Amino acid sequence: EDQVTQSPEALRLQEGESSSLNCSYTVSGLRGLFWYRQDPGKGPEFLFTLYSAGEEKEKERLKATLTKKESFLHITAPKPEDSATYLCARAQGGSEKLVFGKGTKLTVNP
Amino acid sequence: DAGVIQSPRHEVTEMGQEVTLRCKPISGHDYLFWYRQTMMRGLELLIYFNNNVPIDDSGMPEDRFSAKMPNASFSTLKIQPSEPRDSAVYFCASSFSSRSTDTQYFGPGTRLTVL
Repeated sequence: EDQVTQSPEALRLQEGESSSLNCSYTVSGLRGLFWYRQDPGKGPEFLFTLYSAGEEKEKERLKATLTKKESFLHITAPKPEDSATYLCARAQGGSEKLVFGKGTKLTVNP
Repeated sequence: DAGVIQSPRHEVTEMGQEVTLRCKPISGHDYLFWYRQTMMRGLELLIYFNNNVPIDDSGMPEDRFSAKMPNASFSTLKIQPSEPRDSAVYFCASSFSSRSTDTQYFGPGTRLTVL
């Protein structure tokens, strides 16, 4: 069964305090690992797709990395506007289905 | 581009009533997905279409749920009869299939409350 597990469930940071969010997934047939950001009352907003171990992608203060078993979303010097729930999802070979983790709720205090 | 459009944004209904949720995907996208999000279960895929044809409906909870896509620019998700446990946020998403880009873009969601 496809499993995507995110940790921690919630994370509270001070502005400027860097940290990482974790996403671990079942290994077989990975076709892509996706990161989304979701603000309250809105739909998930696409951030990154990673396809192979060792791949990295960056956008402003966010950097996503991928290994054979997990992905990390690194947040460098976060600002209050980075507060949101961050979701990761895996796509499996042979299907367009995405299996989502339950997300990490990030709060950045000024 | 206006993005994925969903209506209504909020729906409050009584148990036993029929509910219809609507979605307009991004123009040119050939995949359309319906998801349900709850605190307990997170974001779950209900059904998805490719070129208006249902491909996988294994996530549809039971026969009370049905989805249609009569053309490339419109889809509906219907619940009949509705029950309180159907209360959730329902999202529609669309994507364009290619070798390297299959990102799903989500709509704003419909918050359904069944009393």
